[in-house]
Amino acid sequence: EVQLLESGGGLVPPGGSLRLSCTASGFTLSNSAMNWVRQAPGKGLEWVSFISSSGGTTNYAESVKGRFIISRDKSQNTLSLQMNSLRADDTAIYYCVKNNGPGGWFDPWGQGMVVTVSS
Amino acid sequence: SYVLTQPPSVSVAPGKTARITCGGDNIGRKSVHWYQQKSGQAPILVIFYDSDRPSGVPERFSGSNSGNTATLTISRVEAGDEADYYCQVWDSSSGQGVFGGGTKLTVL
Repeated sequence: EVQLLESGGGLVPPGGSLRLSCTASGFTLSNSAMNWVRQAPGKGLEWVSFISSSGGTTNYAESVKGRFIISRDKSQNTLSLQMNSLRADDTAIYYCVKNNGPGGWFDPWGQGMVVTVSS
Repeated sequence: SYVLTQPPSVSVAPGKTARITCGGDNIGRKSVHWYQQKSGQAPILVIFYDSDRPSGVPERFSGSNSGNTATLTISRVEAGDEADYYCQVWDSSSGQGVFGGGTKLTVL
């Protein structure tokens, strides 16, 4: 069964940093295009970041550009999201999601990791 | 950036057909994907490439896409279909994912 599992969430003060990690089972994450998607409390889904299968291309939503960094550790078969200069409006559930096909659909999704930015 | 527009809510009686729309400029030229998110759960894919169903998704779920509107159709609606539904495209020009605002489906 193909599954994703996030870790590393928690409570962090404004201006702080946090690193999310995602591990995969059932497929090789290090060879796959991946995304991070988030959902603020009571709100809809927001795409956050993308990394290509080769790792040579990374993209970010304007809301996180310059503050977040997506990366992959091939030896550990993990995906990471380094979040810096966190703000209250970064509070959300963060999902690790596999990107599929040229059409770019998202499947599977991780169970989600809560990130709360508050003093 | 590309914008997708969904109605905030749709209501339907059990056994009837629900149609959830997703509007976008020439969206018919893009591949549209749909996700179901039940309360407190992660989203799951229910339609990809406009009208393809992943294994395990009931045939009651179907999709179409033409012109400026994509549509998710749920036939013979059941109480268990009550959820938020999101459309999504991949904007290849910017290399970004784009979601609609979501539609809350209420089964009366």
